[in-house]
Amino acid sequence: DAKTTQPTSMDCAEGRAANLPCNHSTISGNEYVYWYRQIHSQGPQYIIHGLKNNETNEMASLIITEDRKSSTLILPHATLRDTAVYYCIVRVGGSSGSARQLTFGSGTQLTVLP
Amino acid sequence: NAGVTQTPKFQVLKTGQSMTLQCAQDMNHEYMSWYRQDPGMGLRLIHYSVGAGITDQGEVPNGYNVSRSTTEDFPLRLLSAAPSQTSVYFCASGSVGRTEAFFGQGTRLTVV
Repeated sequence: DAKTTQPTSMDCAEGRAANLPCNHSTISGNEYVYWYRQIHSQGPQYIIHGLKNNETNEMASLIITEDRKSSTLILPHATLRDTAVYYCIVRVGGSSGSARQLTFGSGTQLTVLP
Repeated sequence: NAGVTQTPKFQVLKTGQSMTLQCAQDMNHEYMSWYRQDPGMGLRLIHYSVGAGITDQGEVPNGYNVSRSTTEDFPLRLLSAAPSQTSVYFCASGSVGRTEAFFGQGTRLTVV
C-alpha cells in the first residue's frame, strides 16, 4: 500500500468548509484513496473513496489531483460534531480491498471551533 | 440493526491471564478483522479473515490467536496477557460487494 502524508492537526470555524489534504506520491494505478474518521476514540467510520475522478456523497467531497499524487477531503459546512481524527488511506480497492485490510497512519486531528 | 458488536467494552487483566475478546456481526459480511490502537496512534491490523475457516496474520499478530468457525463471529484470544497488550481493540467487517469497512465500538483492555 502506498504511504500517505497528512498534517497532524487543523482547525476550522463552524459553518465553514474544512479542507483536509493528503499526499500519496507513490500511489499505484490500481490503488484507491479512502477516507475514514474516528470521533473521540469510537470505531472508525467510512467517509468516501475514489480512484481518479472527484467524488461526492452526503458526507463529503473528495478531490483527487490529475496525477493522483495528492487529494483533498472537503467537508462543505463543518459542524462541531465533525471534530475527529481523519485518516487518508491508499490501497488496492474496488469492491474488496478496503474492507479486508486497512493501514492507518496517524491521521489529521480536525477541530471545529464554535 | 446491530452492525458489529464487541464485548466486553472494558476489561482489566493481570499479567499472564488469558481471555477472549468477542466480535459478532449481523450483516453476513465475508471479511472480518481485528485492530489495536495504542494512545496517539492509528490502528494496526492484528489478524483478519476472508471467510469462515480462513484466517491470516496482519501487521502485529504475536500474542494473539483467532479462529473463524462461523460467518458471524471472529473472537480474538490472548493466551497470556502482557502489559504491552494494553490497548483499545477494534473489530471490523466488510463485504465483497461493499467498499467500506464497518467497525465496532472497541474494547478497552488494560493489562496490569
